[in-house]
Amino acid sequence: SQKIEQNSEALNIQEGKTATLTCNYTNYSPAYLQWYRQDPGRGPVFLLLIRENEKEKRKERLKVTFDTTLKQSLFHITASQPADSATYLCAPCGYSNYQLIWGAGTKLIIKP
Amino acid sequence: NAGVTQTPKFRVLKTGQSMTLLCAQDMNHEYMYWYRQDPGMGLRLIHYSVGEGTTAKGEVPDGYNVSRLKKQNFLLGLESAAPSQTSVYFCASSYGTSGTDTQYFGPGTRLTVL
Repeated sequence: SQKIEQNSEALNIQEGKTATLTCNYTNYSPAYLQWYRQDPGRGPVFLLLIRENEKEKRKERLKVTFDTTLKQSLFHITASQPADSATYLCAPCGYSNYQLIWGAGTKLIIKP
Repeated sequence: NAGVTQTPKFRVLKTGQSMTLLCAQDMNHEYMYWYRQDPGMGLRLIHYSVGEGTTAKGEVPDGYNVSRLKKQNFLLGLESAAPSQTSVYFCASSYGTSGTDTQYFGPGTRLTVL
């Protein structure tokens, strides 16, 4: 069956450093991969989308890569800030977005 | 714009009781979704709707029913609540259903079934 894996342990990063989160998928060949941010007690909020034919996508301090050979996406936050502390969810997707398959998320903690 | 709103925010039920969760969106989105989120697991799709009057089953539909009588509203019903339905429920909406369409989420409803 399709499986999405994100680091279950919290990731602690010093402020100003680059945070890198990993999303691995198996038994799946997604056409797209979406990343969302979720704060405690709130719903997920969309951050970035990357297509299968794109190697990299950037938005301000955020960068996403998509390696269809390794079946992996990396999510980077450069110059991290305490306000970046949240849980980040990856969601590979087929051609229809109700085919989104969600990872459990990685909790990121940025320490001042 | 309020975006996606959900009521109630919290609810405690006894086993066997019924309830309805209400989701409303003011973005004129055609598509709406109900998910549940459990600790250590990704969001799981319960039901979704591709338009007013149409609904479809998602990954975990058993024990739930839905209705979409108006475009802006999507209701999730539990006819006979069970402890296994203790979860956080999220409603979402999107403009389209392409893999490039992002989903907009409500704040969630935390449901506890005793």
